[in-house]
Amino acid sequence: QQPVQSPQAVILREGEDAVINCSSSKALYSVHWYRQKHGEAPVFLMILLKGGEQKGHEKISASFNEKKQQSSLYLTASQLSYSGTYFCGTVRNNNDMRFGAGTRLTVKP
Amino acid sequence: EAGVAQSPRYKIIEKRQSVAFWCNPISGHATLYWYQQILGQGPKLLIQFQNNGVVDDSQLPKDRFSAERLKGVDSTLKIQPAKLEDSAVYLCASSSIRGAHTEAFFGQGTRLTVV
Repeated sequence: QQPVQSPQAVILREGEDAVINCSSSKALYSVHWYRQKHGEAPVFLMILLKGGEQKGHEKISASFNEKKQQSSLYLTASQLSYSGTYFCGTVRNNNDMRFGAGTRLTVKP
Repeated sequence: EAGVAQSPRYKIIEKRQSVAFWCNPISGHATLYWYQQILGQGPKLLIQFQNNGVVDDSQLPKDRFSAERLKGVDSTLKIQPAKLEDSAVYLCASSSIRGAHTEAFFGQGTRLTVV
């Protein structure tokens, strides 16, 4: 029931772009994205509700395709501070939130 | 606004011992989650409360894990007896309404080491 994330890891240079994907085998009500730095708690980035909407936060945006039960996180012109592990959390109609295994993003100077 | 408080931050116990973790969610948050995060993996939902009622505990190993949320505020998670594979960070999170519509705020977690 956990969503599947890809890729598992990404290494970028500052200024490069990245896409992280999240897919579920179950119908979804919403998708959450969080970033976790080493030794810290996950921090909320954004939430997307069903309806195919796309949201943005500075240079980080995301889309949610309800029909395909997929979401993608787009990181544009990456900065060193973007390094961390990104998790998608999927919510079905029963309102429980399950997380994927995470995508480790490393941004190098 | 105070965040989600968890204690202790670290705990080392021997296998077969018992241990308890405490969580104080953000004031007014009705939904409370307990997650287990093993090193290198994503958080795994153990139990979700809505006020003091259980919404989902399908992944809670009920033969050794128990959780309660008295009065719909603080919550405790207990493991008895602990196994080596229980070594993980236990994260508590809360949200203002049932999870789908709003962000969850996480505590700093309790790092459990079972030796």
